[in-house]
Amino acid sequence: GAVVSQHPSRVICKSGTSVKIECRSLDFQATTMFWYRQFPKQSLMLMATSNEGSKATYEQGVEKDKFLINHASLTLSTLTVTSAHPEDSSFYICSAQMVDRGMIFGQGTRLTVV
Amino acid sequence: KQEVTQIPAALSVPEGENLVLNCSFTDSAIYNLQWFRQDPGKGLTSLLLIQSSQREQTSGRLNASLDKSSGRSTLYIAASQPGDSATYLCAVVIQGAQKLVFGQGTRLTINP
Repeated sequence: GAVVSQHPSRVICKSGTSVKIECRSLDFQATTMFWYRQFPKQSLMLMATSNEGSKATYEQGVEKDKFLINHASLTLSTLTVTSAHPEDSSFYICSAQMVDRGMIFGQGTRLTVV
Repeated sequence: KQEVTQIPAALSVPEGENLVLNCSFTDSAIYNLQWFRQDPGKGLTSLLLIQSSQREQTSGRLNASLDKSSGRSTLYIAASQPGDSATYLCAVVIQGAQKLVFGQGTRLTINP
């Protein structure tokens, strides 16, 4: 069945470095993907909508220069956290929508910045 | 602005009980409503998708209903099992938009 694969599942990086997270749609094409952030014991917060072949749409309060999104193909979107700092430590999740199945989520990426 | 509320925030019941989780939304102009399950440290697993024209969906021991006019949905879990313990999230897609609006979730614990 259709799956959204997210990689890596867990990453630890040093403060000041950049981290890239990949989100792939398997067995289906996704012209639009979504990136969320989730703090402990809270619900998901939409960060941005990733559009294939065009610029991402960011939610209010999300720094687009900090969270770079690239959607270069119909099956791959990437989120790069640039110059990461400890406050960027969080759980990041991507999703893609299928008309008859609704939103399908990746497994999530636990980012820890030390 | 669409707001989604889930009640209760947490629920703990003994194994075998039937239970109901509630979800309400402020704007009835939705495209669909989806129930998810999230285990600690994991992504979301879709449980049931209800299109705006539908009233309910069933999958195994799960049944979800949708009453658009009153802005409510319920998730019914029959014969609960310890493996059902997780956080359950309700989310709606607004008409004309693709993005989901989530509730805060119900943290469910089924005690053996």
